Amino acid sequence: DVKVTQSSRYLVKRTGEKVFLECVQDMDHENMFWYRQDPGLGLRLIYFSYDVKMKEKGDIPEGYSVSREKKERFSLILESASTNQTSMYLCASSFGGAKNIQYFGAGTRLSVL
Amino acid sequence: EDQVTQSPEALRLQEGESSSLNCSYTVSGLRGLFWYRQDPGKGPEFLFTLYSAGEEKEKERLKATLTKKESFLHITAPKPEDSATYLCAVQAYHRGGADGLTFGKGTHLIIQP
Repeated sequence: DVKVTQSSRYLVKRTGEKVFLECVQDMDHENMFWYRQDPGLGLRLIYFSYDVKMKEKGDIPEGYSVSREKKERFSLILESASTNQTSMYLCASSFGGAKNIQYFGAGTRLSVL
Repeated sequence: EDQVTQSPEALRLQEGESSSLNCSYTVSGLRGLFWYRQDPGKGPEFLFTLYSAGEEKEKERLKATLTKKESFLHITAPKPEDSATYLCAVQAYHRGGADGLTFGKGTHLIIQP
């Protein structure tokens, strides 16, 4: 069974704080992804990584950065949290190649006050 | 720009009442179309992936089909436990091998006993 684990289910932070969201997968997947999900907007891709230390911007990267120092771990960083970053954050992973099904974690609900 | 539109936004059915959910898409070079199920407060759960027009896949009461412009998720004789939000997503060749998915906003399905 594929397991994608997000370190926190709920987080409450203050504006201006630096926030780290952690994601770990146990299937030796090459690719990892960060999405955010908002009512009425659906899931939107923030960043993805196709290898250790490699990253690519998704559709909404502004205000975020990522880190992938080890294959199994992908971190999303909010350098200075703002209230418009209050959202559900979802991590996913997949194998490389033609049929790369993405498997999702349970999500982290972040509130920025 | 890739686009995915799902309809209806919400659907309420009686137990045993079959129906279909629609996913219309525009993408320059479809690599794959994905269906996910999402329960409240949880991450999306993978259901199906379809790669070429004419392809069909089935799992229990669910059947997914694909044409060049849209996909349908048919639900036959649904049960209350089928209640969830169903998400459709596309992956495009032009964005590279490890790229993320473009999601629709989902169909919220409620099955009443």
